[in-house]
Amino acid sequence: DIVMTQSPDSLAVSLGERATINCRSSQTVLSSFNNKNYLTWYQQKPGQPPKLLIYWASTRGSGVPDRFSGSASGTDFTLTISSLQTEDVAVYYCQQYYELPWTFGQGTKVEIK
Amino acid sequence: EVQLLQSGGGFIQPGGSLTLSCAASGFTFSGYAMSWVRQAPGKGLEWVCYIRGGGAHPTCADSVKGRFTISRDNSKNTLYLQMNSLRAEDTALYFCAKSESGYGNDAFDIWGQGTMVTVSS
Repeated sequence: DIVMTQSPDSLAVSLGERATINCRSSQTVLSSFNNKNYLTWYQQKPGQPPKLLIYWASTRGSGVPDRFSGSASGTDFTLTISSLQTEDVAVYYCQQYYELPWTFGQGTKVEIK
Repeated sequence: EVQLLQSGGGFIQPGGSLTLSCAASGFTFSGYAMSWVRQAPGKGLEWVCYIRGGGAHPTCADSVKGRFTISRDNSKNTLYLQMNSLRAEDTALYFCAKSESGYGNDAFDIWGQGTMVTVSS
């Protein structure tokens, strides 16, 4: 199974400041067929289902604010919130859909400092 | 509006059975793969089972293989999860989730509201 490891487990950032969440996969999730990373990011607020933020490692989902961005370097992936807003307080998960079983990172809790 | 409305769930004793349902609306249900994802209390997300849009290739995680069965009725726009031989460790909030294609190797773009399953004596 592909193991997804996120860091940090939690972080506190001041309003308007940058938040960076990392995710590492234990093996490649890059398809040689289409040169895409099969990696997605979700945001989950308390009492709600997860919401799709980023797919193919760097493509924003429908309606997702442009302060959210994703990037990839090998098996390392990053979710960046460029200017943290109150409504961004949540737990963020990365997930690979390259091969079954699809696996999630353990989650990163983002709070306001 | 694209929507997944879940039902089922509840309190069940170990060894018991339960069926979850997920009714889809607002999109062509048969055209998309669907999955079940669960979240134990205070824990992270765990993919459970998936099925392709046409109903082929139902596949479940090793942790539930042989006990859980995913199925779908495209005429009723409904996804199911039949859960047998339930264990305490199956206690979780169960979500249904829609893939972005019929094949399934995609992100989950729409999620149900979740339904709680509690396995306890």
